[in-house]
Amino acid sequence: EDKVVQSPLSLVVHEGDTVTLNCSYEVTNFRSLLWYKQEKKAPTFLFMLTSSGIEKKSGRLSSILDKKELSSILNITATQTGDSAIYLCAVGTQGGSEKLVFGKGTKLTVNP
Amino acid sequence: AAGVIQSPRHLIKEKRETATLKCYPIPRHDTVYWYQQGPGQDPQFLISFYEKMQSDKGSIPDRFSAQQFSDYHSELNMSSLELGDSALYFCASSLGQVRTQYFGPGTRLTVL
Repeated sequence: EDKVVQSPLSLVVHEGDTVTLNCSYEVTNFRSLLWYKQEKKAPTFLFMLTSSGIEKKSGRLSSILDKKELSSILNITATQTGDSAIYLCAVGTQGGSEKLVFGKGTKLTVNP
Repeated sequence: AAGVIQSPRHLIKEKRETATLKCYPIPRHDTVYWYQQGPGQDPQFLISFYEKMQSDKGSIPDRFSAQQFSDYHSELNMSSLELGDSALYFCASSLGQVRTQYFGPGTRLTVL
């Protein structure tokens, strides 16, 4: 059975801290790994990773995939209160279309 | 930029009733996915469509059916509703079957 595991499940930090969120996966027919940010609504797309070792960056957020270790990390530097959200890791598996298998998410709380 | 539109945003039904959820993908997107997210749970893939044909099927109960129409919008029909069907139902769309999925705001279904 396809499985995506995220850690930690919950994280509380102060503004300005740097955080690293982890995602590991066991799936057949891996195609891609995606990170989403979910506040009180729809998951918002952050990154899509398909190649190992290539870092993707967007402002203070960055992510990298390690296909050998079957894992990915999401880094957020200089955290702000607006970064408070649940960060979901999802793995796209090959099939007719790319269905996503989600992890349970990491709840990040950034305190002022 | 136009996003995925879902309607209704909130729906309250009683047990054994039926419900229809609608999803309008981002213009030009030809692939639609449905996910169910229970309280405190990660999104679970239900079903997907590509070019109006069912593409992939996940943990969708037999009481549910879905289709994609000629204008690419999709409807999820749910019959004999049960209390456990209470959840947030997300629709996502993509351009092609292996591209980034963008999520709609979700429909919150409450079954009493």
